[in-house]
Amino acid sequence: AQSVTQPDIHITVSEGASLELRCNYSYGATPYLFWYVQSPGQGLQLLLKYFSGDTLVQGIKGFEAEFKRSQSSFNLRKPSVHWSDAAEYFCAVGGSNDYKLSFGAGTTVTVRA
Amino acid sequence: DADVTQTPRNRITKTGKRIMLECSQTKGHDRMYWYRQDPGLGLRLIYYSFDVKDINKGEISDGYSVSRQAQAKFSLSLESAIPNQTALYFCATSDFPVDYGYTFGSGTRLTVV
Repeated sequence: AQSVTQPDIHITVSEGASLELRCNYSYGATPYLFWYVQSPGQGLQLLLKYFSGDTLVQGIKGFEAEFKRSQSSFNLRKPSVHWSDAAEYFCAVGGSNDYKLSFGAGTTVTVRA
Repeated sequence: DADVTQTPRNRITKTGKRIMLECSQTKGHDRMYWYRQDPGLGLRLIYYSFDVKDINKGEISDGYSVSRQAQAKFSLSLESAIPNQTALYFCATSDFPVDYGYTFGSGTRLTVV
């Protein structure tokens, strides 16, 4: 069965500091991996996705994520956080023949001035 | 107009009442999904549909029903609402396979009192 673990429920980071959100997955075949962001009162927006190829993927809003098969991880990073990055972030996993994505529980990011 | 539109955005209802949440999409996708989001639990799949005649239960379908009125419309009903159905509900669409991820609606915040 596929599953996603986001070990950090809540992270607080200073504006301008770097951010890393952890995601570990369990999947029986080659995974498709996604990061979504949910701003307050909004739906979920796709930040980036990984299918294959280069293990470092670039997304929108200056985010990037690195796929590490040996660690079953897909961590999200941003070098310098802006106040507008305060949101909830979800990691998700699926596959080429899957009917659905499975989501982690989410990590809430607070940005302090 | 948004690709995936959910109505209403917010709803307060009483225990025992029937309520319908509606979702329409302009993506032309065959696949549609209903998820609920609860703090600390992430998104859990309620129902999904591959086309008008193909509707399937997800992880937490008890107490819910759905109707796929057309390719573009997928409604979720709570036949007799109870307080633990208070949650944020999301509709999503996708192509097959899910390698491009989902497109989400903005969500419906439902409170059952």
